[in-house]
Amino acid sequence: DGGITQSPKYLFRKEGQNVTLSCEQNLNHDAMYWYRQDPGQGLRLIYYSQIVNDFQKGDIAEGYSVSREKKESFPLTVTSAQKNPTAFYLCASSTPGRNRNVGVQFFGPGTRLTVL
Amino acid sequence: QKEVEQDPGPLSVPEGAIVSLNCTYSNSAFQYFMWYRQYSRKGPELLMYTYSSGNKEDGRFTAQVDKSSKYISLFIRDSQPSDSATYLCAMRGYGNKLVFGAGTILRVKS
Repeated sequence: DGGITQSPKYLFRKEGQNVTLSCEQNLNHDAMYWYRQDPGQGLRLIYYSQIVNDFQKGDIAEGYSVSREKKESFPLTVTSAQKNPTAFYLCASSTPGRNRNVGVQFFGPGTRLTVL
Repeated sequence: QKEVEQDPGPLSVPEGAIVSLNCTYSNSAFQYFMWYRQYSRKGPELLMYTYSSGNKEDGRFTAQVDKSSKYISLFIRDSQPSDSATYLCAMRGYGNKLVFGAGTILRVKS
C-alpha cells in the first residue's frame, strides 16, 4: 500500500524537552511538508522540502527543525524554543507542482503533541 | 486580511439536503484549487482538484471556481451523515506551497 505514515499518533512532552515526529512516505514523491493545525486556524506551514538535502522555512518555522537525508523521510523536531507546541501536526507529500495536473498534496494521519 | 477566507460554521443540515461550502481569496495568482475533507483527529483527504475557472463534478460533489470573483464553492448533493466533517479549501499558484482556509465544520443530521 502506498501512503504516508506518521508516528507516534500521540506524543506527550515535558517543558524543556525536544521531541521528534516521524514522517515516512512510499509514494516516490519529491516534495514533503510539515503543517501545524490548531482549532479554528486551518493548516499553517512549518517547513517544506522539494528535494533531498534541501528544505525551506514556512510561515511558522521558529522553534522547529527538520532534516531531509532520504527521499522517503522528513522528520520534524519540536525544540524547547517552541513556546506553544501543543497542536496537531500533519505531514504531507506531493509531486512537483510545475505541471497542470500534479502538485496535489496528500496527508498522513497526524501526530497529536501535548505539552505537560 | 487573510489570503483565504472560509466561514468556520458549524453548518447543520438535514440528511438529503444540498450543501454549499465556500471560500474567497485575495491573491489573483492562485491557479489551482482543492477541497479536502477532514474527519475528527484524522489527516485531510483530497476530495476535488480543479485548475483555473469552471466546474468539476465527481459523484455527489461539484467544485466551482470563479476567478473573476475570487470565489470557489463545493456543493454536496444528497448529503449523508457520513459527510459530517471539516471541509478545507486550499489553493496555490505555480509553486508547491498551498494556502488553506480555516475549514468549515459540516454536520448532517439523520
